[in-house]
Amino acid sequence: AQSVTQLDSHVSVSEGTPVLLRCNYSSSYSPSLFWYVQHPNKGLQLLLKYTSAATLVKGINGFEAEFKKSETSFHLTKPSAHMSDAAEYFCVVSDSNRGGSQGNLIFGKGTKLSVKP
Amino acid sequence: ETGVTQTPRHLVMGMTNKKSLKCEQHLGHNAMYWYKQSAKKPLELMFVYSLEERVENNSVPSRFSPECPNSSHLFLHLHTLQPEDSALYLCASSQDDSALHTDTQYFGPGTRLTVL
Repeated sequence: AQSVTQLDSHVSVSEGTPVLLRCNYSSSYSPSLFWYVQHPNKGLQLLLKYTSAATLVKGINGFEAEFKKSETSFHLTKPSAHMSDAAEYFCVVSDSNRGGSQGNLIFGKGTKLSVKP
Repeated sequence: ETGVTQTPRHLVMGMTNKKSLKCEQHLGHNAMYWYKQSAKKPLELMFVYSLEERVENNSVPSRFSPECPNSSHLFLHLHTLQPEDSALYLCASSQDDSALHTDTQYFGPGTRLTVL
């Protein structure tokens, strides 16, 4: 069975400093992994996606994530935080063996990122 | 941002009311989803439609009734809800191609529902 654990419910950084949001997953298959971001009162926006191609995935707004199979991790990073990055971030795993709409997305509980001026 | 739209954005209803949530996708996708997002809980998948047929219903109470008249529109009909049903209801769509194992879902902004 698939599962995803976001290790921090809340992360606070200063503007201009690096961001690290941690995610560990459990999957019986070759997983698809995603990071979504949700700004206040908005829906979820796809940041990036891993699907067994390059292990380092670049997303929008300067974010990237590295798939590490040996550590079952898919941590999200950004070199320099911006005030507009303050939001909630969700790590998501898909049981891609089922594929398409038959496959479920399993969401983590989310990490709230605060950015201090 | 405008690929998936939801109306209304906010809804307050009594427990005896009947209301409907609407979702429309402009991405040419053939699969649509309803999710429930409650405070301090992970997103919960409620319903999945692929090619306008329901393929999954994760044991959702019958007071929630989905309808998918075509591949671009999805409704969630609500009746005799409970206060614990207050949540953000999110709609999503994707292009269902099992051969390609396409998983990426695109979300709407959600409807914030409050049940009094």
